[in-house]
Amino acid sequence: DGGITQSPKYLFRKEGQNVTLSCEQNLNHDAMYWYRQDPGQGLRLIYYSQIVNDFQKGDIAEGYSVSREKKESFPLTVTSAQKNPTAFYLCASTQNGVNYGYTFGSGTRLTVV
Amino acid sequence: GQSLEQPSEVTAVEGAIVQINCTYQTSGFYGLSWYQQHDGGAPTFLSYNGLDGLEETGRFSSFLSRSDSYGYLLLQELQMKDSASYFCAGGTGAGSYQLTFGKGTKLSVIP
Repeated sequence: DGGITQSPKYLFRKEGQNVTLSCEQNLNHDAMYWYRQDPGQGLRLIYYSQIVNDFQKGDIAEGYSVSREKKESFPLTVTSAQKNPTAFYLCASTQNGVNYGYTFGSGTRLTVV
Repeated sequence: GQSLEQPSEVTAVEGAIVQINCTYQTSGFYGLSWYQQHDGGAPTFLSYNGLDGLEETGRFSSFLSRSDSYGYLLLQELQMKDSASYFCAGGTGAGSYQLTFGKGTKLSVIP
């Protein structure tokens, strides 16, 4: 079945370390997104990509980086510059030109220890 | 920019009907979507309104009035499994539309 796979499900990071969250989709979707969710909050856009080798900053890109070397993959790196990285991270995808019906992965819960 | 406002919590009785409202302020608006998220889970797409009016999908309906910058999600015949958070999301951006989400409404269904 098609879908989005995020790994790991839980991740613990020491302060000052960079960590990379994986996101892989087999839906043949063009566009991929990273959202951050804090308790009791909505989803805030970190980065998005409409095509391979191209990506744009979202509303809260500071302290994060991404790459899009393959259509299927859109990893997110949380760098040591991100001051408050503890959150639930969600990856999503959709076809270009479609503004609804996003498919989400099951998320990665990152905790800084 | 976009902002979407929705109530933070709603409680309703099993079998009843509940309406979750969403108002928005936006420029370049491209439609309103609704997503359901159970605790610790992934959001799942419920409904979309690109034009004014009512869209019905089973027990769920969604309404949009672009002139009023207002929409709502209507859940009928509530079941315990409907206890979840519900997010409205507005589409913006040309090409690959970006979604801006409201902060979510936590629905508690009680017996």
